[in-house]
Amino acid sequence: GQNIDQPTEMTATEGAIVQINCTYQTSGFNGLFWYQQHAGEAPTFLSYNVLDGLEEKGRFSSFLSRSKGYSYLLLKELQMKDSASYLCAVRDRGSNYQLIWGAGTKLIIKP
Amino acid sequence: GAGVSQTPSNKVTEKGKYVELRCDPISGHTALYWYRQSLGQGPEFLIYFQGTGAADDSGLPNDRFFAVRPEGSVSTLKIQRTERGDSAVYLCASSVGQGNEQFFGPGTRLTVL
Repeated sequence: GQNIDQPTEMTATEGAIVQINCTYQTSGFNGLFWYQQHAGEAPTFLSYNVLDGLEEKGRFSSFLSRSKGYSYLLLKELQMKDSASYLCAVRDRGSNYQLIWGAGTKLIIKP
Repeated sequence: GAGVSQTPSNKVTEKGKYVELRCDPISGHTALYWYRQSLGQGPEFLIYFQGTGAADDSGLPNDRFFAVRPEGSVSTLKIQRTERGDSAVYLCASSVGQGNEQFFGPGTRLTVL
């Protein structure tokens, strides 16, 4: 079966660091995406991992371990505008390479 | 165009009616996707077009749902005999090719009364 798990909600403090985890079980892995979605808006692309390791892009980094079926998104120097939902999506060979999406993690930033 | 556009932004209809939702992808993007998203959930795949053809329609929930992309650009999602359970935000996304970053439109919020 296919399953993407993320925490439902997390809270962090402005200026701090937060790590959002994603675990997945799919019939065939062909890449993992992280998207940011502000309330009432469309998802926007953050990162893509297909090989194990850490991809860094400014304040945001994403890590992948294919053997563990695990990824995390790391957000540094948190800003109030980072309050949003963060969606993990896996491209699944077993689903014609379509994206299988997690339910998203709602991140609340407090001053 | 600057990005993916969708019309209307909001659609309220009565149960049993027919609705059409439109998507204008980014110019030059051959791949186009339709998703629907319920509150607190991730997008649910509906259908994928490569050019004019529906390359994968395995996500369409039943035969009340149909989508077209006759000229390989604009796409229309058509829902017949709408039901209250069809209420959701319908998102369209496009990409240069399958597997590349998908760019999403703002969505159409469909409410079936």
